[in-house]
Amino acid sequence: DAKTTQPNSMESNEEEPVHLPCNHSTISGTDYIHWYRQLPSQGPEYVIHGLTSNVNNRMASLAIAEDRKSSTLILHRATLRDAAVYYCILGPDNNDMRFGAGTRLTVKP
Amino acid sequence: NAGVTQTPKFRILKIGQSMTLQCAQDMNHNYMYWYRQDPGMGLKLIYYSVGAGITDKGEVPNGYNVSRSTTEDFPLRLELAAPSQTSVYFCASSTTLISYEQYFGPGTRLTVT
Repeated sequence: DAKTTQPNSMESNEEEPVHLPCNHSTISGTDYIHWYRQLPSQGPEYVIHGLTSNVNNRMASLAIAEDRKSSTLILHRATLRDAAVYYCILGPDNNDMRFGAGTRLTVKP
Repeated sequence: NAGVTQTPKFRILKIGQSMTLQCAQDMNHNYMYWYRQDPGMGLKLIYYSVGAGITDKGEVPNGYNVSRSTTEDFPLRLELAAPSQTSVYFCASSTTLISYEQYFGPGTRLTVT
């Protein structure tokens, strides 16, 4: 019963922008959209979250479609340290954050 | 701040043995969580706690027990270890339930043989 759909993998060149898509067509009105990332051999790390409006922070930007059925995480200048698995998660949902398989981002020098 | 710490980093158990995975946080967070991550998969919530003395089941609680006697500590107990419990275990904490920002520990890699 996956609530979000993400590509399995994406590649990017270093210092170029990266747009990571996430589809969530069954999103409810109270669901926030969260993004986490997991670097190799580490625990997940919070990236950004939003509800309706686009959001920016020091790590990334989150663009949310007007109908909220999809969103895009934007890394403005990818670095080798951004190579990770990126998770798009809806919540809160019955006290459970459902991490799917995520998108594995490879950054090429 | 050390953040969220977990011990041990690695452990090998024989089938039927028991052990406790330790988790501590020094951020005064009320909410704490235990997740497991199987190879190539996302994380699954095992148990969570909203404060000292209060715990509740997540998606995959069978075979595990937790306790929360203090705000800082949230140990995870495995009784009668089984090969299906081979996984990486992550502890996390946050200021609110399913906060927009959960802080994760470095994980414990457990192998049951």
